[in-house]
Amino acid sequence: DAGVIQSPRHEVTEMGQEVTLRCKPISGHNSLFWYRQTMMRGLELLIYFNNNVPIDDSGMPEDRFSAKMPNASFSTLKIQPSEPRDSAVYFCASSLGGQAGGEKLFFGSGTQLSVL
Amino acid sequence: KQEVTQIPAALSVPEGENLVLNCSFTDSAIYNLQWFRQDPGKGLTSLLLIQSSQREQTSGRLNASLDKSSGRSTLYIAASQPGDSATYLCAVPSGGSNYKLTFGKGTLLTVNP
Repeated sequence: DAGVIQSPRHEVTEMGQEVTLRCKPISGHNSLFWYRQTMMRGLELLIYFNNNVPIDDSGMPEDRFSAKMPNASFSTLKIQPSEPRDSAVYFCASSLGGQAGGEKLFFGSGTQLSVL
Repeated sequence: KQEVTQIPAALSVPEGENLVLNCSFTDSAIYNLQWFRQDPGKGLTSLLLIQSSQREQTSGRLNASLDKSSGRSTLYIAASQPGDSATYLCAVPSGGSNYKLTFGKGTLLTVNP
């Protein structure tokens, strides 16, 4: 398996623009997570999907952020409008199961977002 | 609120040395604990997952232990190699869930040839 695939790897945009990050989880994995990593705050969970349904979006910073998972093999994280403080590395991760037991998380390589 | 602390923040050792990385957490009511490795510019790779009922897990030269009652975990790396150089993070579920991970800030390990 190719692992979790994220695109783009790098995104540079200007304040106010819309940004869309994409993720393809590992085939057969039922859980998908979006994380954000910064030097100051470390890794933070933004949203968690199980079987394509958003289960916990309490980590989404504000209404400018939205995430979708239209099918089991694709998810997007959208920021509109983007702001400089959104600059971070955004990771997508997937795992086999869901809420019971806990399994290993598999991370994508991340999207480095810079908002100027 | 779960807090995870990793000490030291950075560690530099000569090749071949055995070393221990530490992780502590404030809420001992956890389902499991996971150790990850992160290389520069890359995502995280899960190294070991210890369930709450287990005391330790081993994978090759890596051994992770878990003491829930004291809120501590250690990652032991035997016979370190330059290829082990990376940031090591531990993570525990928080908020009563077994999916919402709280991560430590990591320990940056450098193994010198």
